[in-house]
Amino acid sequence: DVKVTQSSRYLVKRTGEKVFLECVQDMDHENMFWYRQDPGLGLRLIYFSYDVKMKEKGDIPEGYSVSREKKERFSLILESASTNQTSMYLCASSFSTGAGELFFGEGSRLTVL
Amino acid sequence: QKEVEQNSGPLSVPEGAIASLNCTYSDRVSQSFFWYRQYSGKSPELIMSIYSNGDKEDGRFTAQLNKASQYVSLLIRDSQPSDSATYLCAVNSGYSTLTFGKGTMLLVSP
Repeated sequence: DVKVTQSSRYLVKRTGEKVFLECVQDMDHENMFWYRQDPGLGLRLIYFSYDVKMKEKGDIPEGYSVSREKKERFSLILESASTNQTSMYLCASSFSTGAGELFFGEGSRLTVL
Repeated sequence: QKEVEQNSGPLSVPEGAIASLNCTYSDRVSQSFFWYRQYSGKSPELIMSIYSNGDKEDGRFTAQLNKASQYVSLLIRDSQPSDSATYLCAVNSGYSTLTFGKGTMLLVSP
């Protein structure tokens, strides 16, 4: 089975802190994604990567950055966390030919105080 | 901005009935369409994909696509309480990325 593992299920951070969310997949997928999910707003794409060291902005990249140094690992970075970044963050991966068949991690619920 | 619209629900159906979930999309060039199921507190999981006009059946699930009307639907036959979840419609929007609808909550009562 495909396994997408997110490093932390629950985090509580203070405004202004730097936050790292890490995601690892074990299926040799080329594509990796970070979404956030908020009530009433649905799933929104933050960043994605289709290869090592490659990154592309999604629909809401402001306030976030990403890092992909290895194929299996994709990190989301909040340089200076703000309260409006309190959310559920979902990592996903897919094959390059997957046409959208995403496999999601369990999610990381971040609360910024 | 590419949009995917779904009725938020909840859609309530009795056990054994057919549940019909609908989705419209704005990008006329979209080629791939997906239905994800998300149980409360869990992450989404893919249940159906459809790429060409018409119907695609998988067990109790049937996906329907009408590209001319920019419309996708999911039918769940013989609905079970275990089908109670939020169903997300997703449309491929290039680079293997998906644009998701906000989801329709389905409640199946015993």
